[in-house]
Amino acid sequence: DTAVSQTPKYLVTQMGNDKSIKCEQNLGHDTMYWYKQDSKKFLKIMFSYNNKELIINETVPNRFSPKSPDKAHLNLHINSLELGDSAVYFCASSQVFRPSSYEQYFGPGTRLTVT
Amino acid sequence: GQQVMQIPQYQHVQEGEDFTTYCNSSTTLSNIQWYKQRPGGHPVFLIQLVKSGEVKKQKRLTFQFGEAKKNSSLHITATQTTDVGTYFCAGPPDSNYQLIWGAGTKLIIKP
Repeated sequence: DTAVSQTPKYLVTQMGNDKSIKCEQNLGHDTMYWYKQDSKKFLKIMFSYNNKELIINETVPNRFSPKSPDKAHLNLHINSLELGDSAVYFCASSQVFRPSSYEQYFGPGTRLTVT
Repeated sequence: GQQVMQIPQYQHVQEGEDFTTYCNSSTTLSNIQWYKQRPGGHPVFLIQLVKSGEVKKQKRLTFQFGEAKKNSSLHITATQTTDVGTYFCAGPPDSNYQLIWGAGTKLIIKP
């Protein structure tokens, strides 16, 4: 059983389109995250939800909107895609948010290419 | 803001040589976690260090947390091709804060 799953694995789309990435975890964790990893491999946290409540909202364009229908799911919707949005997006989860001593489990990633 | 600096960015080694990556934080960390990301893969948790001066080993990997809890290192003895990947450190300035991630060190094995 996959602990953290994401769909789709690859996403190729044109500038200006709107797209969504879905994430599900079956670990029973309370906290989920979205990360963006650029071509230089830097991991940048974008959002974090704890029990469906937004707790981290880093400086991210408001074209990115997360949504957590329940604590096992965290989706990411992106409007008006731009070339600079091309990256790998990782979903992750951890048992709780505080204390932050619990390890994070990452999904396989979604490689987004905007042309 | 809080930063975790990780060096080097890349390290090329011959198979069998040792490898070390270092993390330095601008503030005291509550704990430090290490992750490994294989090429094309996702970050996978390796270990967590909590105590000042703590040293932990996993086979050929040795992890250290500095006395001041502001720096950490990962040392791999006698690298193997299976060690290839990017190693990340991450730690929160206190346990109520999110993880701050280093930029990663990419280990490349020279053919």
